[in-house]
Amino acid sequence: EDKVVQSPLSLVVHEGDTVTLNCSYEVTNFRSLLWYKQEKKAPTFLFMLTSSGIEKKSGRLSSILDKKELFSILNITATQTGDSAVYLCAVESNSGYALNFGKGTSLLVTP
Amino acid sequence: DAGVIQSPRHEVTEMGQEVTLRCKPISGHDYLFWYRQTMMRGLELLIYFNNNVPIDDSGMPEDRFSAKMPNASFSTLKIQPSEPRDSAVYFCASSFSGNQETQYFGPGTRLLVL
Repeated sequence: EDKVVQSPLSLVVHEGDTVTLNCSYEVTNFRSLLWYKQEKKAPTFLFMLTSSGIEKKSGRLSSILDKKELFSILNITATQTGDSAVYLCAVESNSGYALNFGKGTSLLVTP
Repeated sequence: DAGVIQSPRHEVTEMGQEVTLRCKPISGHDYLFWYRQTMMRGLELLIYFNNNVPIDDSGMPEDRFSAKMPNASFSTLKIQPSEPRDSAVYFCASSFSGNQETQYFGPGTRLLVL
């Protein structure tokens, strides 16, 4: 059975800190891994990763995939209170277009 | 475009009642997904459609749940009869040609079954 595990489950940091969120997966016929940010509403897309070792970057957020070790990390540098959210990792397999989500990491950035 | 539209945004009902959730996908998107989110289980895919045809309904919890997509601009998720354990936020999402980078989520329907 496909599995997506995120860690830590929750995290509290101070503004300005750097955080690293982890996502490990077991999936048959891996196609892609996606990161979403969820505030008090619907998840919004951050990154899609398909190739190992290629960093995707958007402002203070970056992510990389390791297909050999079956994990991905999401880094947020110089955190701001607006980064407080649940960050979701999801994996897509070649067997269809369904996404298998992890339980998420709840990040709280305090002033 | 207004994005994915869901209604109602909140629903409170009593156990045993029928509940119907509605979704209008983004115009031109040919994939539509129904998800359920709870604290315990996280975000789970229930069913998805391609060109109005159900492709994978393996996530539908049981026979009390049914989903339809009569046309490209409308889908329903029905629970009959509802139970307290169905309480959750139900999201609809749509994408173009299964491209996950274009999968956009609706605002969700928060369902509470008493």
